[in-house]
Amino acid sequence: EIVLTQSPGTLSLSPGERATLSCRASQSVSNNYLAWYHQRPGQAPRLLIYDASFRATGIPDRFSGSVSGTDFTLTIRRLESEDFGVYYCQQYGRSPLTFGGGTKVEIK
Amino acid sequence: QLQLQESGPGLVKPSETLSLTCTVSGASIGSSNYYWGWIRQSPGKGLEWIGSIFYSVNTNYNPSLKSRVTISVDTSKNQLSMELISVTAADTAVYFCTRESALCSSTTCQGDAFDIWGQGTKVTVSS
Repeated sequence: EIVLTQSPGTLSLSPGERATLSCRASQSVSNNYLAWYHQRPGQAPRLLIYDASFRATGIPDRFSGSVSGTDFTLTIRRLESEDFGVYYCQQYGRSPLTFGGGTKVEIK
Repeated sequence: QLQLQESGPGLVKPSETLSLTCTVSGASIGSSNYYWGWIRQSPGKGLEWIGSIFYSVNTNYNPSLKSRVTISVDTSKNQLSMELISVTAADTAVYFCTRESALCSSTTCQGDAFDIWGQGTKVTVSS
């Protein structure tokens, strides 16, 4: 199965700062079928990015995704208070579908 | 507006069967445009895909759970169900039902990203 390794484990930032989250796949992800999700405590994850770089419906343009080989990146241009929480990457290019361990973005 | 609502017992005894239901509103679960499935989240294992069902009959399961899990749909009730047999404490988790759009070529289909999630239902396995 494809293992996704997210880094850093925790990111401490202030509102207005830029956040850069990494997700490294253990092997090639076909068609760059990788998604990013945001989860707040007590809530279900919410889809932000699909196919590595396409924003889901209703997601603001301060969120962007990119890919270079097996390295995927989620960038949040200017953090807002609602953006804090845990971010997960997930690949759907090959079964079994797998998730990364998450990056927690906390208020500094 | 599409909504998914999970329901089931909050507590299950070890070695017994866990049965969960997800009621879908705002879309037809029999549609050929979507996969419907289950994901669970536990502190120890994070987010884990359990399996999905497509077009009411085509199932795909995580190999780690395949011997114990069955996913099915009841189109008359517009519900998705999951059964997990022989549960242990390791099956304690929050269980989410999900939707994926179907990505189909001329010969095959697969699921897209999970664009709709239920709120989740917490299940504890304990005697």
